Amino acid sequence: QQQVKQSPQSLIVQKGGISIINCAYENTAFDYFPWYQQFPGKGPALLIAIRPDVSEKKEGRFTISFNKSAKQFSLHIMDSQPGDSATYFCAASRGNTPLVFGKGTRLSVIA
Amino acid sequence: NAGVTQTPKFQVLKTGQSMTLQCAQDMNHNSMYWYRQDPGMGLRLIYYSASEGTTDKGEVPNGYNVSRLNKREFSLRLESAAPSQTSVYFCASSAAQGNTEAFFGQGTRLTVV
Repeated sequence: QQQVKQSPQSLIVQKGGISIINCAYENTAFDYFPWYQQFPGKGPALLIAIRPDVSEKKEGRFTISFNKSAKQFSLHIMDSQPGDSATYFCAASRGNTPLVFGKGTRLSVIA
Repeated sequence: NAGVTQTPKFQVLKTGQSMTLQCAQDMNHNSMYWYRQDPGMGLRLIYYSASEGTTDKGEVPNGYNVSRLNKREFSLRLESAAPSQTSVYFCASSAAQGNTEAFFGQGTRLTVV
């Protein structure tokens, strides 16, 4: 059973556009929802994270929107740039358990 | 500050051979993890160690063993490699298990022929 479902699998966005990646989860005990960014040949790195007591968190051009009742959270990348081209993973965890990851979204930002 | 260091970076094995993937972190983290990454499958947890002296199975532990050698080092062993274990393996660490940032190594690309 996949605990975190991520969509789309791939995404192509024009430079300057908005990239949106969605994740849904089943376990209502999850209380930490990070997004990781991975460039080719590198390990994933934390991009931004949110906890369920807030509905939105913004860091620069990156925003997480969180909908607790729908059990969904999403990553928005404003003014997308070619340098944002990477694979993005959503993840979730609860208490002292390891992160569980979505299957990833390959984002390509074209000029 | 090196962070999480994995060795080797690349490896080719024949079916049935054994090998150990090494991982070391210099951030004084308590928790360490091994994930595998396959196309379209995301990152799947193989084993983890919440603290020195403990290890637990993750989602896909079959065919693997681990050793938490000390607080810094966490190794992953393939006793008899199979083509299905062809993957990119990532070691990660975090200060505590769960709701804290995990730091990943650069990965080991393993091919089993």
